[in-house]
Amino acid sequence: GAVVSQHPSWVICKSGTSVKIECRSLDFQATTMFWYRQFPKQSLMLMATSNEGSKATYEQGVEKDKFLINHASLTLSTLTVTSAHPEDSSFYICSASESSYEQYFGPGTRLTVT
Amino acid sequence: TQLLEQSPQFLSIQEGENLTVYCNSSSVFSSLQWYRQEPGEGPVLLVTVVTGGEVKKLKRLTFQFGDARKDSSLHITAAQPGDTGLYLCAGAPPGGSNYKLTFGKGTLLTVNP
Repeated sequence: GAVVSQHPSWVICKSGTSVKIECRSLDFQATTMFWYRQFPKQSLMLMATSNEGSKATYEQGVEKDKFLINHASLTLSTLTVTSAHPEDSSFYICSASESSYEQYFGPGTRLTVT
Repeated sequence: TQLLEQSPQFLSIQEGENLTVYCNSSSVFSSLQWYRQEPGEGPVLLVTVVTGGEVKKLKRLTFQFGDARKDSSLHITAAQPGDTGLYLCAGAPPGGSNYKLTFGKGTLLTVNP
């Protein structure tokens, strides 16, 4: 149980284009979903918290107009990186929580912006 | 702002050795989770500790939550190459309902055969 999927697992895009990443909880309903960014050999950096049907709460320093988050249902959240630039290249990971502090993570999406 | 200090940051040991990873804070947490992450993958939840003084064992891994719920440790006995990975501790704040976790900076463990 508690399986979270992400799609795509990796994506290469050109600078200036937008990329959408999907996060799905496969066998439970996620009250809350989180989006993280991770640099090589470093810990997770929380970008935003989203609850189904409401606006996401962004962490300080994260541009909400650049990283658009939609949590349309209890099993799906999307992160759209708009007008991507090479500095946005990173490993993006989502997690989902049902009703406790335990978060279950997706496998991550490797984004490379050329 | 709650902070979790995780140490050591890097650890390289030989197969069969024992090791301990620490997470310390000046803040109280309602629970603390330990995750293991392999390169190119998402973190996998290993254990959640909730009660002060709690000890949980998962095969060769022993997790302990401090009495005051401000610190935790992960001890691995007879480490194996398959234990290699990034170990993350994460604490949940007392009260509240947004389930936002505070993560330590991680311990990158390499177990050499």
